[in-house]
Amino acid sequence: GAVVSQHPSWVICKSGTSVKIECRSLDFQATTMFWYRQFPKQSLMLMATSNEGSKATYEQGVEKDKFLINHASLTLSTLTVTSAHPEDSSFYICSAVGFPANYGYTFGSGTRLTVV
Amino acid sequence: QKEVEQNSGPLSVPEGAIASLNCTYSDRVSQSFFWYRQYSGKSPELIMSIYSNGDKEDGRFTAQLNKASQYVSLLIRDSQPSDSATYLCAVDNQGGKLIFGQGTELSVKP
Repeated sequence: GAVVSQHPSWVICKSGTSVKIECRSLDFQATTMFWYRQFPKQSLMLMATSNEGSKATYEQGVEKDKFLINHASLTLSTLTVTSAHPEDSSFYICSAVGFPANYGYTFGSGTRLTVV
Repeated sequence: QKEVEQNSGPLSVPEGAIASLNCTYSDRVSQSFFWYRQYSGKSPELIMSIYSNGDKEDGRFTAQLNKASQYVSLLIRDSQPSDSATYLCAVDNQGGKLIFGQGTELSVKP
C-alpha cells in the first residue's frame, strides 16, 4: 500500500517555458502532499506543503509565483515550474500523507528537470 | 545549527562488516525518526522508522534512538556491495513534514 506515482520521470525544457509535474496517490487519499527539491550531492529540501482544497504553504526562500502548486483532489497534486531557468534544473520529488495514515513514508519516483 | 546533522562521509566498509551511520537532531519535541536509502538518481526509499527510545531491528538493519541525547543511528550488519548508497536521516516534527539530514554516503567494498 501507500504508492505514490510521479511523472514525468524526466523532462528537458527550454529556458522560459513552463513544466508541470504530477504526483498521484494510487491507493490512498492524500490530504497533504509535500514537494521536495534535491540538487546534485545535496539532501532533500522541502519546498512546499499542499493541503487538498487549500493554498500551498511555501518554505522560506521558495518563490510561490514561480512554483505553482495545485492540490484540487485527494489523489492529485501538481507542481508547475513557471518560466524555468537553468538554475531550476533539479530533482523534484513529492511525498504524500493521508488516510489510511502513512505519515509521509512514501515518496514518488521523482522528476529530473533539465532546463536548457 | 542545522536541524538534522549527519556526517557526509564517504564511509567505506569492507563487505561483511558492520556499517554505523549516525544522526543528531536539534528539536527536542521530535517524535518520529526515519532512515531512507537513496541510490544515485533515484528517489529515497524507507528502510526503518523508530519512535521510542531503544533499538529496533529489521533483518540486517538496526535503528537506535536516544531522545535524551537527541541521537539516532542505523547499523547495517553483514554489509553488502548493494548497500552502497546515500543514507538519509529524517525527522518528522509536524505530521509528515520531514526534515532531512545531508546524508551519509556509504561504500561497501567487495
